[in-house]
Amino acid sequence: EVQLVESGGGLVQPGRSLRLSCVASGFTFAESAVHWVRQAPGKGLEWVAGVSWNSDNVAYADSVKGRFSISRDNSKNSLYLQIKSLRPEDMAFYYCAKESLSCGPTSCLRVFDSWGQGTLVTVSS
Amino acid sequence: DIQMTQSPSFLSASVGDRVTITCRPRQSIRSYLNWYQQKPGKAPNLLIYAASSLQSGVPSRFSGSGSGTDFNLTISSLQPEDCATYYCQQSYSTPPTFGGGTKVEIK
Repeated sequence: EVQLVESGGGLVQPGRSLRLSCVASGFTFAESAVHWVRQAPGKGLEWVAGVSWNSDNVAYADSVKGRFSISRDNSKNSLYLQIKSLRPEDMAFYYCAKESLSCGPTSCLRVFDSWGQGTLVTVSS
Repeated sequence: DIQMTQSPSFLSASVGDRVTITCRPRQSIRSYLNWYQQKPGKAPNLLIYAASSLQSGVPSRFSGSGSGTDFNLTISSLQPEDCATYYCQQSYSTPPTFGGGTKVEIK
């Protein structure tokens, strides 16, 4: 069974830093791209960042570029998100999500086929 | 970024009703469209991928259709356990973007 378990959330003051972690099990982590997706309380889903299986390719949402850094350690089956200079608008549940390639009748596309339970980041003084 | 517009944002229907949710990307995304279900307090769950393919384990009352700039998620006979928020998401280009969500409630 695929499991993704996030940790590292909590109450943080604006301007401070935080590191989120996600430990994976139940699949070959080193072969999968993984992502962070966040959701402000009562709001919709926002993709934050993603990293390829070998860390060669990383991508960020414009809203977090320059402040967030995604990384992974395949030897520890772990994904990380380093967040600097936290802002009130960064307050959200942060989910890690596993990417897979799924093929329909006419195309193959990337999907988020497994998600963790999320970790809540609260930004407040 | 490709903006995804979902409608309605909220719907209330009775058990057994057929319900349809629409997703319209700002530009054509061919069939690179996924649907997720999120129940309160839980993580999202993949329902439909490539516009019309049912994810393993998802009940057959869920179906997806469309291509280009017009997509639908249909629940053929609404069940109490379908109370959730539904999101579309495009995988056509980076960044992947989600619709604003449709909250489905049972009358």
